[in-house]
Amino acid sequence: NAGVMQNPRHLVRRRGQEARLRCSPMKGHSHVYWYRQLPEEGLKFMVYLQKENIIDESGMPKERFSAEFPKEGPSILRIQQVVRGDSAAYFCASTPIPSTDTQYFGPGTRLTVL
Amino acid sequence: SQQGEEDPQALSIQEGENATMNCSYKTSINNLQWYRQNSGRGLVHLILIRSNEREKHSGRLRVTLDTSKKSSSLLITASRAADTASYFCATDARGGSNYKLTFGKGTLLTVNP
Repeated sequence: NAGVMQNPRHLVRRRGQEARLRCSPMKGHSHVYWYRQLPEEGLKFMVYLQKENIIDESGMPKERFSAEFPKEGPSILRIQQVVRGDSAAYFCASTPIPSTDTQYFGPGTRLTVL
Repeated sequence: SQQGEEDPQALSIQEGENATMNCSYKTSINNLQWYRQNSGRGLVHLILIRSNEREKHSGRLRVTLDTSKKSSSLLITASRAADTASYFCATDARGGSNYKLTFGKGTLLTVNP
């Protein structure tokens, strides 16, 4: 049973470009959570999605950021017109039901904005 | 201070010694968890302790929880160089969402061979 997969593992973008981060949850998991980790900080909750639904996006910046989890395929975190302050590690986690018990984390995508 | 704050920020010990990290939080919780993150990698879940538990063991790990003081400690016994990593506590919020974890800034543990 493969774990949570994220790709790319490293992403470099220039200011103003778009960044697309993908997350495939564990098999059988339909709940996905995205967290952001700024340098030398803990993880901060961004958004919680179920298949085809955004449940809670309270931690996500209102502009330039969007997330989706389509019926088929991975969850996508999209950042438009990236700025240097978006440089961070982005982690997704998944669970089979809405839960704070043992969220399974992927390896993360490290975004660097030049 | 924020929910789930660890101390010390950094800890350096010799192999074989014990390492103790602490976590304080502000709101009532249902459970508290500890995660490990190796440099540049993802998070690995170590142990979960529920609010009605006071102590829990898993291998060389021992976690305590004091809800009256809103604090937890993680003890790693007989440390190894491979234990070198950042350790984070994460809490939920009783009465809040059942899916949102709040992480502290972490303790960077260095175990010297």
